[in-house]
Amino acid sequence: GENVEQHPSTLSVQEGDSAVIKCTYSDSASNYFPWYKQELGKRPQLIIDIRSNVGEKKDQRIAVTLNKTAKHFSLHITETQPEDSAVYFCAASIRGNKLVFGAGTILRVKS
Amino acid sequence: GAGVSQSPSNKVTEKGKDVELRCDPISGHTALYWYRQSLGQGLEFLIYFQGNSAPDKSGLPSDRFSAERTGGSVSTLTIQRTQQEDSAVYLCASSLGPGAGTEAFFGQGTRLTVV
Repeated sequence: GENVEQHPSTLSVQEGDSAVIKCTYSDSASNYFPWYKQELGKRPQLIIDIRSNVGEKKDQRIAVTLNKTAKHFSLHITETQPEDSAVYFCAASIRGNKLVFGAGTILRVKS
Repeated sequence: GAGVSQSPSNKVTEKGKDVELRCDPISGHTALYWYRQSLGQGLEFLIYFQGNSAPDKSGLPSDRFSAERTGGSVSTLTIQRTQQEDSAVYLCASSLGPGAGTEAFFGQGTRLTVV
C-alpha cells in the first residue's frame, strides 16, 4: 500500500524566513498531493494541492513542488508569519482514492 | 449541510463499553474517510468508503472497530469493548470522490476519552 514519509517532524524558523517541508511517497500510481494545515484544537484544512501532471504550483506565500521521478514533493512557505505556526500534513492519493497522510510537521515561527 | 458534521463532539466512556460515533458528510460527496488522531500525533487512516464499492477497511486496528455507511451518506464508526488506548480524536472527512483528485473536508472531530 501507499506510504508517505514527512520531514522534518519539527521546524523552527524566524519570522520572515522561509520554511520547507518535504514528503516522499511509495506508490508511483499516486496522482494527487494535498497539503493540510492544522491549528491547535482545530480540524485540518487544505492549503494547497498539486496533481501529477504539474511540477509546481504557487499561491501567494505558499508553493508546492512535485518530482514524480524521485517520488517526492515539498511545501515552501516564504516570508513566514507567526500565524503560520501550526502542524502541516502532506498526503498522497492513488487515483483520487483514500488519502494517506504523512506524520506531520510542527512549524513554529518565532517573532 | 454547510460542512462535515460529527457527533458527539466529546465522549467519555468507561472501559469495556461500546461507543458509536457519527459523521454527516457534505451533501453529494461520495467519498468518506475516518481517521484517528492521538494527542500530538498524525492522522491514522481507519476506513474509506466510496459510493457503493466495498469499503477499504485496511486501517481498522482490531475487530473491535467497525464502520458502516447507510444510503451512501451518514456513517457510523463503532468501537466495541473500548480500551484506554482507544482514547483519541476521531476525524471524519468527505470529498466528491475519485477521479482527478478532490479536496477532502474534515469534520471537527469527536474527542473520545476512555476511563
